[in-house]
Amino acid sequence: EPEVTQTPSHQVTQMGQEVILRCVPISNHLYFYWYRQILGQKVEFLVSFYNNEISEKSEIFDDQFSVERPDGSNFTLKIRSTKLEDSAMYFCASVDRGPYEQYFGPGTRLTVT
Amino acid sequence: QKEVEQDPGPLSVPEGAIVSLNCTYSNSAFQYFMWYRQYSRKGPELLMYTYSSGNKEDGRFTAQVDKSSKYISLFIRDSQPSDSATYLCAMTSDDKIIFGKGTRLHILP
Repeated sequence: EPEVTQTPSHQVTQMGQEVILRCVPISNHLYFYWYRQILGQKVEFLVSFYNNEISEKSEIFDDQFSVERPDGSNFTLKIRSTKLEDSAMYFCASVDRGPYEQYFGPGTRLTVT
Repeated sequence: QKEVEQDPGPLSVPEGAIVSLNCTYSNSAFQYFMWYRQYSRKGPELLMYTYSSGNKEDGRFTAQVDKSSKYISLFIRDSQPSDSATYLCAMTSDDKIIFGKGTRLHILP
């Protein structure tokens, strides 16, 4: 069964460093999403991406964040200058139609020290 | 008022019992209502989604939406220890999904 994959599974970085989280969505899907989940808290929407542009973003997704689909398979989330409060699980999701049938990846645990 | 409210639990029930999980919401624009299951340190897994009010059944799972009361439910029949997980309700009216905080469910063998 096709699945969303994410790399790395765990990333440790120092405050102020740039990180890139990578996702490979399901191949025929057209809509892509990033979410984060701070430990013990709810899953929070960050951004949605369709047709090579951002279609919706939350107030969390400020200028420190960017997304890109550099080729036909990868979907990346970049955090330019990480803060301690960026420590969280980051989930990528994809869907082939509508926002309601999203398939999530296993997540990347980001630890900022 | 938070957009989506969900009792975090934990909820412990004996194996074989019927489980009822619930969420309330405030935004009447929500049209799609989803339930996800999340095991510890894993990504959410979509169980079911419904559009508008009514019931939807899939095996042991039934999702119910009451838009007039802004209340959604997930029922699990014949609960199994493998159903032990965190259950997240989620809803959307556009491209942005809003999740509840999740209810931790323990099924006791």
